[in-house]
Parts: sequence; structure tokens; C-alpha cells
Amino acid sequence: NAGVTQTPKFQVLKTGQSMTLQCAQDMNHEYMSWYRQDPGMGLRLIHYSVGAGITDQGEVPNGYNVSRSTTEDFPLRLLSAAPSQTSVYFCASRMGGYGYTFGSGTRLTVV
Amino acid sequence: AQSVTQLGSHVSVSEGALVLLRCNYSSSVPPYLFWYVQYPNQGLQLLLKYTSAATLVKGINGFEAEFKKSETSFHLTKPSAHMSDAAEYFCAVSDANQAGTALIFGKGTTLSVSS
Repeated sequence: NAGVTQTPKFQVLKTGQSMTLQCAQDMNHEYMSWYRQDPGMGLRLIHYSVGAGITDQGEVPNGYNVSRSTTEDFPLRLLSAAPSQTSVYFCASRMGGYGYTFGSGTRLTVV
Repeated sequence: AQSVTQLGSHVSVSEGALVLLRCNYSSSVPPYLFWYVQYPNQGLQLLLKYTSAATLVKGINGFEAEFKKSETSFHLTKPSAHMSDAAEYFCAVSDANQAGTALIFGKGTTLSVSS
């Protein structure tokens, strides 16, 4: 039981490049979400999904796309990276009303 | 809409002293409330959660929190701080009536423990 797995752990992008942050969970959780963490800002919700085929926007969705084709996977796509997207990204999943299980994070730097 | 306010972005205590981290929430519906801890360069770990059962919730590592509806608070306490408690702590709220809603986080409180 691996929990929530995020890859890669570190990434450096050039402005304008695109990439996909991967997130997979093996707990059969229906609910998955992506957060970004910036100093002094806490964790802000980017996108979330309540089940396969269903996604919705969070507080800061601009510049990011998501899809949920399976229960297990919830990738986050950066279409054209900008320096403002330099951050630490966390994927999380949960079942019902219980606390989230978080991945270990992806530290992204856009230069 | 739900929101969380953590009072004090930085709290410093001496080893052995009481730890008190403050969290106030705003919610128009019954809330679930959570405290998470983040150690440097790591992910978030659940400390404890309130899900409408007992108002005094005990968590891991000797932490506990009390849900006070009249004060809309969910403060985190520990009787005696250890050096290993130094970390960042986040309070979060979600809608108890809808399992598919997101966690809304406060901005975090960094706890420093001195010897």
C-alpha cells in the first residue's frame, strides 16, 4: 500500500514549456485534489475531482488543466509554464469525510 | 463559503512549555476540522480531526484540540513541547454534509521550540 505517489519530486522548467505532474493513489479513494504551497499562503486548491470523469476548479485554477480517466490517477498539466507557477505542489486523496492523505510533493521551479 | 484563520504566523516556546496554536473557522454548514503538521521538506501529516463526535479530540504525538462551536474555534494544544515538535502546522476545514468538498487551509503557523 503505497498511499499517494507523486512524480517527479523536483523539476526545473523554462518559461513557456509544458509538463505533467503525476499523481497516483492505490487506496480506491474517490476524492482527489491538487494544491500549491507558497510561503505565507498556506495550501491553495488548484483543481479537484470527486470521481473518475468528474473534475472542477478550485481557488487558483488558471494555467493548469486536469483530467480523471481512472480512480487511481489525477495528473496536473501546466500548459505554458510561468515563473509565477514556481511552487511546491501537493496531491491528496480521501474517502468520504475523513482527512486527506497527501503525497510527498513536487518542487517546481520555472526560470 | 468556508475559511480558516490561524492567529500568529510564528509561535516560539521553550522546551517543556505549553503549546497553543490558534485556529478560528468560518462555515455556514457543520464543519469537519483538521490539524496537519509539516516537517521541513516533507508532505503533510494528519495530527487530528473533528468529525462531529467528541468535541475534545486527541491526536498523535500528544496533541489535542477542542471544538468550540460558540467561539468558532479549534485550537491545538500540547502540555509540554519537545524539540521534535518544531514544524509548520495547518488548520483546515471542510463541509461535513458533503463528502466531495475540498479542504480549505489556513496560512499556517510555524512553531519554534528552544532548549
